[in-house]
Amino acid sequence: ELKVEQNPLFLSMQEGKNYTIYCNYSTTSDRLYWYRQDPGKSLESLFVLLSNGAVKQEGRLMASLDTKARLSTLHITAAVHDLSATYFCAVGPGTASKLTFGTGTRLQVTL
Amino acid sequence: SQTIHQWPATLVQPVGSPLSLECTVEGTSNPNLYWYRQAAGRGLQLLFYSVGIGQISSEVPQNLSASRPQDRQFILSSKKLLLSDSGFYLCAWSRDRTDTQYFGPGTRLTVL
Repeated sequence: ELKVEQNPLFLSMQEGKNYTIYCNYSTTSDRLYWYRQDPGKSLESLFVLLSNGAVKQEGRLMASLDTKARLSTLHITAAVHDLSATYFCAVGPGTASKLTFGTGTRLQVTL
Repeated sequence: SQTIHQWPATLVQPVGSPLSLECTVEGTSNPNLYWYRQAAGRGLQLLFYSVGIGQISSEVPQNLSASRPQDRQFILSSKKLLLSDSGFYLCAWSRDRTDTQYFGPGTRLTVL
């Protein structure tokens, strides 16, 4: 059974600081996704990573994938309050379209 | 462009009552469709997915069922709701298995 773990589960950081969220998964996968969820809202797609070494960047967020280590990271550069949200990674191995979601990392950026 | 709709947005139902949640997608053909549930403060649990009309795969045995009567319509149902069915129900679509899944606005269900 595929397991997806994120850490930390909760992250409080000051504006302007850098930090990294980690996503580990237990079995071989060929695709990994990052999503953002604001409180009470649906999920918004951030990145899709489809190969080893893939790196995607959008604004202050950068995601990378290491399929050998079964690890993806979401790096936050110079955090701003608007980045406060819960971030989920999701892994999709094998056939069909099933995704297994991580537990989520709740990010709180303080002024 | 593609749009995904869900309704109702909010629902409060008594235990033992039936349920019907609807999801429709516009602007694409033959999408893969998904139902997820998110319990309060938790991650997402895949309930059902469908790769075509009448084709439903169930991920979690429970008192819920899903149907896809039309290409871009996905329905989640229950004959008798349980307290544990409370949660945030999200419908999603994708073009194929490797494509990003795009989520609808969700239905917040409270079973009392």
